[in-house]
Amino acid sequence: EAQVTQNPRYLITVTGKKLTVTCSQNMNHEYMSWYRQDPGLGLRQIYYSMNVEVTDKGDVPEGYKVSRKEKRNFPLILESPSPNQTSLYFCASSPLGTGPNYGYTFGSGTRLTVV
Amino acid sequence: GEDVEQSLFLSVREGDSSVINCTYTDSSSTYLYWYKQEPGAGLQLLTYIFSNMDMKQDQRLTVLLNKKDKHLSLRIADTQTGDSAIYFCAETPMEYGNKLVFGAGTILRVKS
Repeated sequence: EAQVTQNPRYLITVTGKKLTVTCSQNMNHEYMSWYRQDPGLGLRQIYYSMNVEVTDKGDVPEGYKVSRKEKRNFPLILESPSPNQTSLYFCASSPLGTGPNYGYTFGSGTRLTVV
Repeated sequence: GEDVEQSLFLSVREGDSSVINCTYTDSSSTYLYWYKQEPGAGLQLLTYIFSNMDMKQDQRLTVLLNKKDKHLSLRIADTQTGDSAIYFCAETPMEYGNKLVFGAGTILRVKS
């Protein structure tokens, strides 16, 4: 089954403790992206990657890092999490190009709470 | 600049029509999308419209596009309780390639 898999689904952590949220896709998509979803703000892009070893900042990159060493994986790293990073995080992937044939496939989300 | 705005909440009775509205700012967007998010799930593509179209109908869904006013709407006919979800409008500004820019989402509540 074609899918984007995120882990973990739920995570509660303490301020300053480094964490990684994993994302893996099995569709050979070039493009991968991380979004955070907050009430009243919708989804905002954190980082994206056009291909292996090619990553770039989205709209809200502060406090996050990513890497793209393999095509299928795109982990999101929080080196020193803070309470304002409490949010619902989504990973998405797509082929390169625009239009509905190049639509995003979303993971199921990771709900992160930083206390 | 890119910005997509939606009203945050809509409540309808089962069997009525729902209309969810969206305004966008980037006229270069070639496609505009509606995504649906059910509780505890990721987003799923519901429907889309190409920017040179005024209307698209897909079973119970009708998308209307007013390019002059940069206004997009999603009409759901005969709304069912299973339609209760968050609906996101999204655009793809041409200069940003694959990037989807989302609105804040409209919570649709269907009362039986």
